[in-house]
Amino acid sequence: QSALTQPASVSGSPGQSITISCTGASSDVGHYNLVSWYQQHPGKAPKLMIYEGNKRPSGVSNRFSGSKSGNTASLTISGLQAEDEADYYCCSYAGTSTYVFGTGTKVTVL
Amino acid sequence: EVHLVESGGGLVQPGRSLRLSCAASGFTFDEYAMHWVRQVPGKGLEWVSGITWNSGGIGYADSVKGRFTISRDNAKNSLYLQMNSLRGEDTALYYCARVREDEFDYWGQGTLVTVSS
Repeated sequence: QSALTQPASVSGSPGQSITISCTGASSDVGHYNLVSWYQQHPGKAPKLMIYEGNKRPSGVSNRFSGSKSGNTASLTISGLQAEDEADYYCCSYAGTSTYVFGTGTKVTVL
Repeated sequence: EVHLVESGGGLVQPGRSLRLSCAASGFTFDEYAMHWVRQVPGKGLEWVSGITWNSGGIGYADSVKGRFTISRDNAKNSLYLQMNSLRGEDTALYYCARVREDEFDYWGQGTLVTVSS
């Protein structure tokens, strides 16, 4: 149950697009199409942004999108806005009723 | 509206036990799997344990296996985490979260557990 690997930080200017990678293994990210992404502002609980790799819950902006290739999933934020500044975590189902989170990425809006 | 409210956290000495609770409301509790996720202040999220709607499927992180026990009482709309043999590295904010299919769609605000002598 090793944590999925994410870059520690990603930054971009307002209006730009950024992509956060999430690298796992063939036993989790690569095996299941069950990667979800969470946004967490300081002092707040995480919020679901993407599920099943590329689906958005109701109410989440379409500026957020997800994808996967092999053992790596990605979250793209387009049209970056100040309110997007937060920590982002990926998560994957890892079999036998277990899950694994990513190491987390701090997004900074310049 | 979905509400998840954790309780039971506090300061506990190493080696002792603590039981966390999560009170759920605003949805049909016995239709959903429920999980515990923890976060050391200032650090990342760590999945701890999960239980299916009927307690038929249970999973634990390797870091807590054999020490923590998850359970639920559907009649009371409640989720529990019995934590035994606590260690300093168990110090964290513990969230309970609802699972829709395979994603955590609602989270509580967490209860802080501090393991220290």
